Amino acid sequence: DTEVTQTPKHLVMGMTNKKSLKCEQHMGHRAMYWYKQKAKKPPELMFVYSYEKLSINESVPSRFSPECPNSSLLNLHLHALQPEDSALYLCASSRGSPGLTNTEAFFGQGTRLTVV
Amino acid sequence: GQQVMQIPQYQHVQEGEDFTTYCNSSTTLSNIQWYKQRPGGHPVFLIQLVKSGEVKKQKRLTFQFGEAKKNSSLHITATQTTDVGTYFCAGPTRSGGSNYKLTFGKGTLLTVNP
Repeated sequence: DTEVTQTPKHLVMGMTNKKSLKCEQHMGHRAMYWYKQKAKKPPELMFVYSYEKLSINESVPSRFSPECPNSSLLNLHLHALQPEDSALYLCASSRGSPGLTNTEAFFGQGTRLTVV
Repeated sequence: GQQVMQIPQYQHVQEGEDFTTYCNSSTTLSNIQWYKQRPGGHPVFLIQLVKSGEVKKQKRLTFQFGEAKKNSSLHITATQTTDVGTYFCAGPTRSGGSNYKLTFGKGTLLTVNP
């Protein structure tokens, strides 16, 4: 199984809503990531979990709250988002840290989020 | 901070023509990775280069890593319509302390006219 599964695929939420994005992988990868991608732009790193601990937070606003319940699951809790937060949210996993070799990232299909 | 730059931003070719995208880092990289993202899709890993001067081939795709490990290129021979998409290079850059993150170039969008 070389898949990273993300749910939901599409999400429309109001600025006062609370929602969660979910990500799952069963490749035994110990690093998991959240990226945000705007149209015609590269993926922009938000958070990195390494061995279930948050290792990198790229100064992401607190309205985005990550959670790693176990080594296979990664959640992104959303609260009081703004319309400019509308984007494709990608989850990825890798065997280890990007600084090492053989640590290619496997991406999920993403959640296309629209904030209204 | 460390940057990964990629050119060109866009490339439109006729089917059968060759295509090259170039990637440059402001610092030496331990490795460089290439990803392809089809329109409406997600990034898919293509290859990782680790050694100085390394060249790897995948059918019509040729990947190179520079001698100084600061630049890389992806060359596609005789493009096909299935090659359409955005090609990203990505390299590990420091993110505080001993942590590394994967930093993506801006990508090159390839369109192919049949």
